[in-house]
Amino acid sequence: GAVVSQHPSWVICKSGTSVKIECRSLDFQATTMFWYRQFPKQSLMLMATSNEGSKATYEQGVEKDKFLINHASLTLSTLTVTSAHPEDSSFYICSARGRDFYNEQFFGPGTRLTVL
Amino acid sequence: AQSVTQLDSQVPVFEEAPVELRCNYSSSVSVYLFWYVQYPNQGLQLLLKYLSGSTLVKGINGFEAEFNKSQTSFHLRKPSVHISDTAEYFCAVSEGNFGNEKLTFGTGTRLTIIP
Repeated sequence: GAVVSQHPSWVICKSGTSVKIECRSLDFQATTMFWYRQFPKQSLMLMATSNEGSKATYEQGVEKDKFLINHASLTLSTLTVTSAHPEDSSFYICSARGRDFYNEQFFGPGTRLTVL
Repeated sequence: AQSVTQLDSQVPVFEEAPVELRCNYSSSVSVYLFWYVQYPNQGLQLLLKYLSGSTLVKGINGFEAEFNKSQTSFHLRKPSVHISDTAEYFCAVSEGNFGNEKLTFGTGTRLTIIP
């Protein structure tokens, strides 16, 4: 199957700082990448969908100025949490979909963000 | 709009016993259905998927699921569970419109295997 990586796997930062999370498709070209947020013991909530070379589409209730998503290449998407606050602490998971894998998303291992 | 219901938040099962994790969905169009497993502090791993064809789908680790359109269900089953099956299981649906790849997840079922 296709492999998706995320970096870092965990990060701790001070309130008010910005944090960037990378999502990479290692062995396929990801035409679409998805960013999810998961609170403890809860399900995954889709934050945004990004297609390579175009602006991300955010789900209702997700602040696009706070969660900046860039999908500049077919193998890399980044999520930047700007001016992070403790309530942004969560598990962030990306997934990627490629032309050769119709309608199947491959998930990264996740990034645990803790804002102090 | 699509939605997924996993009625059981926690399911304890003795080792080597059978298990069924329930999933019901709601959608106004044809759907693709998925089961994912999540181990602690990890991402999601695909267990199996239904896209079309046979309604009985076999996946990895001995799991299988049956798509029942009339009951809008996609229950996950395993005839004999192992300790290593302890994890969180998520059912997900994607509507079958080309270009709409959004996955909607259920709230998850925590499967605990009792030795």
